[in-house]
Amino acid sequence: NAGVTQTPKFRVLKTGQSMTLLCAQDMNHEYMYWYRQDPGMGLRLIHYSVGEGTTAKGEVPDGYNVSRLKKQNFLLGLESAAPSQTSVYFCASSFLGGVGSDTQYFGPGTRLTVL
Amino acid sequence: AQSVTQLGSHVSVSEGALVLLRCNYSSSVPPYLFWYVQYPNQGLQLLLKYTTGATLVKGINGFEAEFKKSETSFHLTKPSAHMSDAAEYFCAVRNTGNQFYFGTGTSLTVIP
Repeated sequence: NAGVTQTPKFRVLKTGQSMTLLCAQDMNHEYMYWYRQDPGMGLRLIHYSVGEGTTAKGEVPDGYNVSRLKKQNFLLGLESAAPSQTSVYFCASSFLGGVGSDTQYFGPGTRLTVL
Repeated sequence: AQSVTQLGSHVSVSEGALVLLRCNYSSSVPPYLFWYVQYPNQGLQLLLKYTTGATLVKGINGFEAEFKKSETSFHLTKPSAHMSDAAEYFCAVRNTGNQFYFGTGTSLTVIP
């Protein structure tokens, strides 16, 4: 199992450009999450999904959109990037219920710089 | 509402000394509590978790944490620090909707 993978690992954008971050998991998890990590602020939830075709807003959703067309993939989009979106982005996944449902599995992260 | 407070953004200990990283939480429901570790340029890895049952939980790499409801705390300890323990540590609480709330992190430095 590859676990949770993220593409790309690094990206540099200019203000106003758009991009999509891809998260994939091969553990058949129902829940998937996108977080951003900034110095001194820990991880903050951007959006999450409780299953294929469903998404919900987290703590800091503005400026981001997400889609979960397939159970194994969770896409995070930036339509018009801003310097404030410079961050490290982490994807995570977890089971819906039962044993192990309280544990999140994290990807390696995507380091995004917006100039 | 759930939230987590980690006291001390940076902690330094000597190799072989006790490690104590503090975490206090607020939760409107019985909490599920977690400690994660993040090594440089990597994602987060689960160290240990408390869901129900025994309040002293043991995790990987010799770490343990004790859930104290009366103090709303879930402090992380390790009797003897090793150089390889140097990392960022995050405390987190989970709500009933499977959302996780993370603390701001504590960076642990181990001095040889």
